[in-house]
Amino acid sequence: GQNIDQPTEMTATEGAIVQINCTYQTSGFNGLFWYQQHAGEAPTFLSYNVLDGLEEKGRFSSFLSRSKGYSYLLLKELQMKDSASYLCAAMDSNYQLIWGAGTKLIIKP
Amino acid sequence: ETGVTQTPRHLVMGMTNKKSLKCEQHLGHNAMYWYKQSAKKPLELMFVYNFKEQTENNSVPSRFSPECPNSSHLFLHLHTLQPEDSALYLCASSQDGAGGPSEQYFGPGTRLTVT
Repeated sequence: GQNIDQPTEMTATEGAIVQINCTYQTSGFNGLFWYQQHAGEAPTFLSYNVLDGLEEKGRFSSFLSRSKGYSYLLLKELQMKDSASYLCAAMDSNYQLIWGAGTKLIIKP
Repeated sequence: ETGVTQTPRHLVMGMTNKKSLKCEQHLGHNAMYWYKQSAKKPLELMFVYNFKEQTENNSVPSRFSPECPNSSHLFLHLHTLQPEDSALYLCASSQDGAGGPSEQYFGPGTRLTVT
């Protein structure tokens, strides 16, 4: 079956760095997405990786290893507004998104 | 209005009621989606419409009935729901091309409570 695994919850300190991991098993693969969802709000797109390697976008970076079925989202210089859930989703061979349950990130002062 | 809008934002309904959720996208996209989001569970894809044609129906109970009159509007008609249907219902849109769909843009959701 198709499956996404990511930690349920993580805690980090303001100004620090945190890495949120995601492993996936899908029938075929057409890329991996990361979304951010603040409580009570819509998920918003953060990044898309389809090739191996690291993609950097300001304070946020996303990494993909297709051979390992693994991705991570790296958040640097954490700010209180980064407290949110981070959703990992892999696109299968039919271009359907398989979603993880999300990682709730708590930032402490 | 910009992006993806949804109405109502909150809905409380009894099990015998009939109601409809509305979604509108202002992005010129050609694909629209309904998702169910329950606490601590992955997003569940319910329906997909591409160019107004339904292309996906993930074994959703018939008490949920989608309607897509044009590429900008999407409805979810609800009738005789069960308490376990209480959840956040999210609408999303994307632009589908030869290389697959782009990232999805989500609306703020309708928080549905079935009593």
